[in-house]
Amino acid sequence: GAVVSQHPSWVICKSGTSVKIECRSLDFQATTMFWYRQFPKQSLMLMATSNEGSKATYEQGVEKDKFLINHASLTLSTLTVTSAHPEDSSFYICSASGGYNEQFFGPGTRLTVL
Amino acid sequence: AQSVSQHNHHVILSEAASLELGCNYSYGGTVNLFWYVQYPGQHLQLLLKYFSGDPLVKGIKGFEAEFIKSKFSFNLRKPSVQWSDTAEYFCAVNAGGTSYGKLTFGQGTILTVHP
Repeated sequence: GAVVSQHPSWVICKSGTSVKIECRSLDFQATTMFWYRQFPKQSLMLMATSNEGSKATYEQGVEKDKFLINHASLTLSTLTVTSAHPEDSSFYICSASGGYNEQFFGPGTRLTVL
Repeated sequence: AQSVSQHNHHVILSEAASLELGCNYSYGGTVNLFWYVQYPGQHLQLLLKYFSGDPLVKGIKGFEAEFIKSKFSFNLRKPSVQWSDTAEYFCAVNAGGTSYGKLTFGQGTILTVHP
C-alpha cells in the first residue's frame, strides 16, 4: 500500500509556542489530505479536510485560526498548532487520498504542551 | 451528521476463539464502510471495505464483515483469532458515497488475544 509519513513523531513544546507537523505522501500524489485528532482512549476525530491548492475545510468546532493547514503540493500538507496550550496536547494523525478508494494513514504525531 | 457506534470497548479472547465486533452507524443514505486496525505502536491499516455489491466482504488476515442495511450494521468477524490479532479495531463510515471522502470513526475496540 501507499506510504504516508509524519514528522515529527513526537514533540514537546512550551505553552504559547507554535508547532508545525508535516504529513507527506511518499509514493503517490495526494489530492486530498485529512487531519485527525485522537484523545487517549478515544476515537479519531476529523479536524479538517484539505485539497491541494485550496483552503482547508474545517469541521464544526475546530478553530481554523488555531489549527492552520496548508496543502501546497500534492505530496505535502502541514498542520500548525498556533499558540499551543496544554489542552492542545493530543495525538494528531493525517491521512492522504489519491482519489482512489482508500485513505492511507500516517503514523501520527504526539504533541505535548507544557 | 452521521455517527458510528462500536459495541465493545475491550474484548478479551483466547487463541482460536471466534470473533465478532459490532458496528452500527446512523445515516440513511449511501455509505461506504470500513474497518481499520491499529497494531500496537503502528499506524492505522485498512482491513476491509464495503462500497457496493456483495454485502459479505473479505479482507486481509482472514477477517470478513457483513453489511446489513436494514440494521445499519457492519460487523467484523474472524472464525479463529490469533495472538497477533491483538490490536485496536476501528469501524468507519463515509457518508454520501464519496469513496475517498471524510470518515467518521467509531470509538474503537481493543482486542486482546491470549495465547
